[in-house]
Amino acid sequence: QVQLQESGPGLVKPSQTLSLTCTVSGGSIRSGNYYWSWIRQHPGKGLEWIGYIYHRGNTYYNPSLKSRLNISVDTSKNQFSLLLSSVSAADTAVYYCATGVASGSYPYWGQGTLVAVSS
Amino acid sequence: DIQMTQSPSSLSASVGDRVTITCRASQSISIYLNWYQLKPGIAPKLLIFGTTSLQSGVPSRFSGSGSGTDFTLTISSLQPEDFATYSCQQSYSIPYTFGQGTNLEIK
Repeated sequence: QVQLQESGPGLVKPSQTLSLTCTVSGGSIRSGNYYWSWIRQHPGKGLEWIGYIYHRGNTYYNPSLKSRLNISVDTSKNQFSLLLSSVSAADTAVYYCATGVASGSYPYWGQGTLVAVSS
Repeated sequence: DIQMTQSPSSLSASVGDRVTITCRASQSISIYLNWYQLKPGIAPKLLIFGTTSLQSGVPSRFSGSGSGTDFTLTISSLQPEDFATYSCQQSYSIPYTFGQGTNLEIK
């Protein structure tokens, strides 16, 4: 059973870079079948898909965030990470890491971490 | 992007009731439709994937149907633990998109 846990600062200043890490247990991040993903939820709003990194490092990003976004994998630590640059208050949200192996659904999620963008 | 519209946005029901939530896509997504249950402070839970497939461990009172642009999630007999927010997600094309959520409350 794959388990995920997000970590990172809960407060980021405007214009800086938001950095989060997701630690994977119960499975190998080297597995070619999983899409290691980030999803966020703004306060009182629906979920927003951010992007994922897949097989051999291929990445797929939400076009609305692509110019500011980087998702990467650290196989030595069994982790994947999110970097979102030039943040503003509009990036304040609960950030989830999630993964799955079939048809774009997400059976495995982290608990989520609230990131506030404020000076 | 494919827009996902859920209805109703909120719903009041009682334990034992049969409840149906609808999700409509702005274009055809075949059967690439998934349903999640969301509760505050808890990881979202996948209920249904591929429109009709029940995720392992999910009670059989949950079911899904539809194809193309119109989909439904049905809970046949509401239990106390089912009061939550429900969200649909299309995984037909990137960027994946979610509905705005349906808040299911106790009447």
